Amino acid sequence: DSGVTQTPKHLITATGQRVTLRCSPRSGDLSVYWYQQSLDQGLQFLIQYYNGEERAKGNILERFSAQQFPDLHSELNLSSLELGDSALYFCASSADVGVSNQPQHFGDGTRLSIL
Amino acid sequence: AQTVTQSQPEMSVQEAETVTLSCTYDTSENNYYLFWYKQPPSRQMILVIRQEAYKQQNATENRFSVNFQKAAKSFSLKISDSQLGDTAMYFCAPSVNTGANSKLTFGKGITLSVRP
Repeated sequence: DSGVTQTPKHLITATGQRVTLRCSPRSGDLSVYWYQQSLDQGLQFLIQYYNGEERAKGNILERFSAQQFPDLHSELNLSSLELGDSALYFCASSADVGVSNQPQHFGDGTRLSIL
Repeated sequence: AQTVTQSQPEMSVQEAETVTLSCTYDTSENNYYLFWYKQPPSRQMILVIRQEAYKQQNATENRFSVNFQKAAKSFSLKISDSQLGDTAMYFCAPSVNTGANSKLTFGKGITLSVRP
């Protein structure tokens, strides 16, 4: 058990819809990262938050947004969903930011299926 | 920008034997860390081992060890005494310290099958 909790585990929805994925980091971790894993794109970094502030953006679409709340949990919002958004979405957390020896601990992921 | 190349998409090894998974990367930074993660069929992402780029000594974690060649930007993973539970996809991932963030850049992964 990594200590990172992601909900829900599975999500099935239709094109054009909006969903919210939730992540609770490990106790004490201030950084939260979101990754997307799809068959054609592999594992891609989406966005990082540290103590409520956005710190880095990767290949995140404009239809996607995220935030980190004062209690440090994070939400990834995906809107106007398309078939190509079907993927496994991981949240990871680490203790610090900019100190890259801190390993990232991953949640079990949310599998999103767009019908 | 960093790039990671894992050129062997699939590998197979007999149980109890040794296997080496290759990884090369490209970065212009001097201060970074390298990680190997495994993803078993359960789809969890599990940290296997990490290496500090400034250390010459190769990291070891039980049956897992790395061969880090900084000049060649090569970071291979050796698994000794392979076990059935090692069957998984393995990802190499450097993490560059920019002072503001430390995102991981993943390779495409290597699917390792351990045969009984």
